[in-house]
Amino acid sequence: AQSVTQLDSQVPVFEEAPVELRCNYSSSVSVYLFWYVQYPNQGLQLLLKYLSGSTLVKGINGFEAEFNKSQTSFHLRKPSVHISDTAEYFCAVSANSGGSNYKLTFGKGTLLTVNP
Amino acid sequence: NAGVTQTPKFQVLKTGQSMTLQCAQDMNHNSMYWYRQDPGMGLRLIYYSASEGTTDKGEVPNGYNVSRLNKREFSLRLESAAPSQTSVYFCASSEAPGAYNEQFFGPGTRLTVL
Repeated sequence: AQSVTQLDSQVPVFEEAPVELRCNYSSSVSVYLFWYVQYPNQGLQLLLKYLSGSTLVKGINGFEAEFNKSQTSFHLRKPSVHISDTAEYFCAVSANSGGSNYKLTFGKGTLLTVNP
Repeated sequence: NAGVTQTPKFQVLKTGQSMTLQCAQDMNHNSMYWYRQDPGMGLRLIYYSASEGTTDKGEVPNGYNVSRLNKREFSLRLESAAPSQTSVYFCASSEAPGAYNEQFFGPGTRLTVL
């Protein structure tokens, strides 16, 4: 079984500041990793994903994340945030067991609030 | 394309009442999912349908049933609602089975059980 820990439930930052949202995972097998974003009163949408290959993954809206296997982490970063980035961010993990695994395990979420 | 649509957007039920949450997708996806989202809990999978004609339990299936009506539609039924089922419910779909595939989410149904 796999699990996800998002280390911060809330992250307040000022506009144009850099931000890092932290995610650690636990799994006995290799994994796929995802970051989803949820804007207020909306469903989730995919920001980026790591399946294999380069450990630095770039996503939409200027976000990127780095897969660190030794530290079992997948932290999300953005060098300069905007007010419009205010949202809840979810890290998710799935066991890499081919097409037979359908289960995506979500973290509890990090609320990013960007202040002017 | 509308993507994933859910009805209703809001619902208030009394304990013991039943209701069905509807979900439809127009992306010709094979797989569909129902999640619930509770404060501080993230999303938890209730049921999923890997392909038309199949359904399987997820992490928290108790108190729910599902029907994959056709390739487009996947409904979630609460037979006898309980206050513990107060939550926001999200339907999602993906092109194929396998959690490596991106899931596309609907806007959610906010359910309150009194």
